Amino acid sequence: NAGVTQTPKFQVLKTGQSMTLQCAQDMNHNSMYWYRQDPGMGLRLIYYSASEGTTDKGEVPNGYNVSRLNKREFSLRLESAAPSQTSVYFCASTWTGGVDGYTFGSGTRLTVV
Amino acid sequence: AQSVTQLGSHVSVSEGALVLLRCNYSSSVPPYLFWYVQYPNQGLQLLLKYTSAATLVKGINGFEAEFKKSETSFHLTKPSAHMSDAAEYFCAVSEPGTYKYIFGTGTRLKVLA
Repeated sequence: NAGVTQTPKFQVLKTGQSMTLQCAQDMNHNSMYWYRQDPGMGLRLIYYSASEGTTDKGEVPNGYNVSRLNKREFSLRLESAAPSQTSVYFCASTWTGGVDGYTFGSGTRLTVV
Repeated sequence: AQSVTQLGSHVSVSEGALVLLRCNYSSSVPPYLFWYVQYPNQGLQLLLKYTSAATLVKGINGFEAEFKKSETSFHLTKPSAHMSDAAEYFCAVSEPGTYKYIFGTGTRLKVLA
């Protein structure tokens, strides 16, 4: 089925470990996004890529890096995980301009202990 | 800067009663506005969107929302609640050309039998 695929779905990390969250879309969308969702805080934008070859910081970029590998794939890396990064991470994509709304992946639930 | 406020983090209605979820926005230009629904342990799904066409927008599952510029509001309504409507609902705003959506903090809807 067409959509946004995120891997892994669940992950437990120890403080200081690193990991990469993967996201791929097969809808030929230009723009891709990473959000984190925390109770009572809604969704907050970490990084986004308006088009292939570009990336920009969102509201809460500290502690994260991203790579737009190609038009389909947009990865999020935690270099040295901290407990404050315990969250649910969502990847989303859309056509440039955002008029059509995002398509979201099913999320990655990350716990840092 | 654009922003979104959702009044009421929790709303309870009886089955068959009117559902009203409130969203107010701030934007320096005519915005795009969206409502998303999130069922437990799932990603977000687009319910409906306003992108400067008709001010009354109909979405999936019997939901609709009305864009009121004078009140800077985009409230979500459904005439008769169903048990399956229990979920968390997010309002989002985007300024055309900015590539980013700003999400509200969400409203959890509970439907009472």
